[in-house]
Amino acid sequence: GAVVSQHPSWVICKSGTSVKIECRSLDFQATTMFWYRQFPKQSLMLMATSNEGSKATYEQGVEKDKFLINHASLTLSTLTVTSAHPEDSSFYICSARDRDWFTEAFFGQGTRLTVV
Amino acid sequence: AQSVTQPDIHITVSEGASLELRCNYSYGATPYLFWYVQSPGQGLQLLLKYFSGDTLVQGIKGFEAEFKRSQSSFNLRKPSVHWSDAAEYFCAVGSHTGTASKLTFGTGTRLQVTL
Repeated sequence: GAVVSQHPSWVICKSGTSVKIECRSLDFQATTMFWYRQFPKQSLMLMATSNEGSKATYEQGVEKDKFLINHASLTLSTLTVTSAHPEDSSFYICSARDRDWFTEAFFGQGTRLTVV
Repeated sequence: AQSVTQPDIHITVSEGASLELRCNYSYGATPYLFWYVQSPGQGLQLLLKYFSGDTLVQGIKGFEAEFKRSQSSFNLRKPSVHWSDAAEYFCAVGSHTGTASKLTFGTGTRLQVTL
């Protein structure tokens, strides 16, 4: 299957700083990328959907000014957590798919963010 | 709104025993259904999916799932579990309208395999 690479795998940052997470599709063009947040022992909650070259569509309750999503190319999307706080600590996972909805969305390995 | 229910939070089976993980969905139209597996600290891997056609779907690693519209269910099965199957399993329903598409995940079932 296709590969989605997420970087970094884990990151620790201080409160008030910003951190960027990258999601790359290595061998296919990802017209759509999804960003999820997963709390310990809980399910994945969709945060936003981004289509290449367009603004991201955020789910209800997700602060778009806090979680900045950029999908500037067909192989790269970034999630920037701005002014991070300890409550932003979580596991963030991206997924990507190409133009055909009937193909699966491939998931990155996730990023463990800890804000201290 | 679409939703997915996985009634079992945690299941323990012996290696070699059969397995069935339950999944019930709520969706107004024909559902697109998925099962994913997640190992600790990892992303998700697709086990199988149902879009249409044969209601019994074969997946990777010896897993299968059966779509039952009358019961709004999409249970995952494996005839003989291996210790390496221990992981978290998520059922998901997909929707696609126009340019928007999304997956809604269940809360997951943690599978423990005893030797």
